Amino acid sequence: NAGVTQTPKFQVLKTGQSMTLQCAQDMNHNSMYWYRQDPGMGLRLIYYSASEGTTDKGEVPNGYNVSRLNKREFSLRLESAAPSQTSVYFCASSHGEKLFFGSGTQLSVL
Amino acid sequence: DQQVKQNSPSLSVQEGRISILNCDYTNSMFDYFLWYKKYPAEGPTFLISISSIKDKNEDGRFTVFLNKSAKHLSLHIVPSQPGDSAVYFCAASGAGGTSYGKLTFGQGTILTVHP
Repeated sequence: NAGVTQTPKFQVLKTGQSMTLQCAQDMNHNSMYWYRQDPGMGLRLIYYSASEGTTDKGEVPNGYNVSRLNKREFSLRLESAAPSQTSVYFCASSHGEKLFFGSGTQLSVL
Repeated sequence: DQQVKQNSPSLSVQEGRISILNCDYTNSMFDYFLWYKKYPAEGPTFLISISSIKDKNEDGRFTVFLNKSAKHLSLHIVPSQPGDSAVYFCAASGAGGTSYGKLTFGQGTILTVHP
């Protein structure tokens, strides 16, 4: 039982490049989330998906798109990466009040 | 505008003593509060939570206290152990339905427990 799996773990991009962060959960949870963590700011919600087929914006959605591919998978896409998107990205899923997080993707945009 | 604040960036405690981590919030619509623990290179893991209808919740060595009138909550760890050394995040949400996972996090407090 892997829980929440994120790929890749590390990524370096040049400004303007695009990439997709992948996330999959095997706990049969309905809701999935993408957060970013920046120094001194805690975690901030980018996008979430309350159930398969729905997505909605969180606190900091600009520059990102998401796809809820099926119940298991929720991907985050950066269409044109900017240095301000250098961060650690966490995917999470939930059933009820507890969030279960993946181990994160450390992204650097040069 | 930081709606959830952890004003102490770090805390150092001796093994066996009590660790008290504090958290303040400004949004009166928050009614569910959680603490997460994070080790380096790992995702946060759920520790303990409390609903606004309670003022205390205990789970083993961990107790969370909520003072709604002061918009303040605290996490007590007794006794503290070296393995408790981690970053602790306070988080808040409007409870129910799809609000559960839409958390607002504090900045985190680095707890170091010395043997």
